Amino acid sequence: AQSVTQLGSHVSVSEGALVLLRCNYSSSVPPYLFWYVQYPNQGLQLLLKYTSAATLVKGINGFEAEFKKSETSFHLTKPSAHMSDAAEYFCAVSDKGGKLIFGQGTELSVKP
Amino acid sequence: DARVTQTPRHKVTEMGQEVTMRCQPILGHNTVFWYRQTMMQGLELLAYFRNRAPLDDSGMPKDRFSAEMPDATLATLKIQPSEPRDSAVYFCASGPPGVNYGYTFGSGTRLTVV
Repeated sequence: AQSVTQLGSHVSVSEGALVLLRCNYSSSVPPYLFWYVQYPNQGLQLLLKYTSAATLVKGINGFEAEFKKSETSFHLTKPSAHMSDAAEYFCAVSDKGGKLIFGQGTELSVKP
Repeated sequence: DARVTQTPRHKVTEMGQEVTMRCQPILGHNTVFWYRQTMMQGLELLAYFRNRAPLDDSGMPKDRFSAEMPDATLATLKIQPSEPRDSAVYFCASGPPGVNYGYTFGSGTRLTVV
């Protein structure tokens, strides 16, 4: 069975600082991996996805993630945090059948 | 932009009442998911469909929950009878053929059972 673990339920950074949100996955087959963002009282929005092409994936709003098979990781980064990045971020894994399983989420706070 | 439409946005109901939530997937999308989000459990997959056929509903309490797709433009999630522990935000998501495109989420139905 596939699963996702997000390390840290809450991350706080200063505006302009590096954002690093951690995600490790478990999958017996090559996975499809996703990061979603959820702003308060809204649905989830796709940030980026890994689908076995390039291991470094660029997404919207300046975010990117690197797939590392040896570490079973798919961490999300952004070089410089902005106040508008404050939200909850979800890592998700899908198999070839399309079943999408989410991690528990990481709430990102950005301090001025 | 194409969007997944969920109705109602908010629902307050009394324990024991029937609740029906509706989802209109994006035209052309053939995969539909239902998720439940709570503070304690996070995002739980309740059920998902492909080409209107249920693929997996193992996350759904069978005694009170049911999910259907009467046609390609409508998915429904029904709770009968509702209980206070069903209070949550219910999300619908849809995706096009092929699993590597990601899925588009609706804005959710916030259900409160009193």
